[in-house]
Amino acid sequence: DSGVTQTPKHLITATGQRVTLRCSPRSGDLSVYWYQQSLDQGLQFLIQYYNGEERAKGNILERFSAQQFPDLHSELNLSSLELGDSALYFCASSVVDSRGYTFGSGTRLTVV
Amino acid sequence: AQTVTQSQPEMSVQEAETVTLSCTYDTSESDYYLFWYKQPPSRQMILVIRQEAYKQQNATENRFSVNFQKAAKSFSLKISDSQLGDAAMYFCAYEYGGSQGNLIFGKGTKLSVKP
Repeated sequence: DSGVTQTPKHLITATGQRVTLRCSPRSGDLSVYWYQQSLDQGLQFLIQYYNGEERAKGNILERFSAQQFPDLHSELNLSSLELGDSALYFCASSVVDSRGYTFGSGTRLTVV
Repeated sequence: AQTVTQSQPEMSVQEAETVTLSCTYDTSESDYYLFWYKQPPSRQMILVIRQEAYKQQNATENRFSVNFQKAAKSFSLKISDSQLGDAAMYFCAYEYGGSQGNLIFGKGTKLSVKP
């Protein structure tokens, strides 16, 4: 157990739907990062939050959004889902200014 | 734009032997970090080793070591005394020092370990 908790582990939904992925960072970590791992694009950085504030954006689609709550857990919202959004979504966390990123086990999203 | 290339989609090694996984990267920055992550079938991403670009000394973690050639922009991972539990996908990653968490990953190398 890495200390980073992601729920659910698996999610199957239909095209056009909206889903929310949840991440609880490791105790003491203020930064949360979201990544997408797909067969065609590989692992891509989506977005970073630090202590509730968005800090950096990567290749995140406009249909996707995220937030970090006062208790530091984070949610990634994916809307108007397409078949190509099927992927493994990872959350990682770190302490401030650390280059040690601890990943969760991921959420496997399947869009049918 | 920074890129990371892993030229070996698959590698195989005999148990107890040594294997080297290759990684090259492209950047114009001088301040950056390099990583090797392991992803076993459980799909958990596990940090294997990290190298700061400003450090000339190659990083080592037990049976894992890197050969960091900054001028050649090469960052290979050597696994000594390979064990069955080393079988996994291995990803090389780059991070610009001026950012945090924006890791750029290679496509990965699938390592098989034969008993």
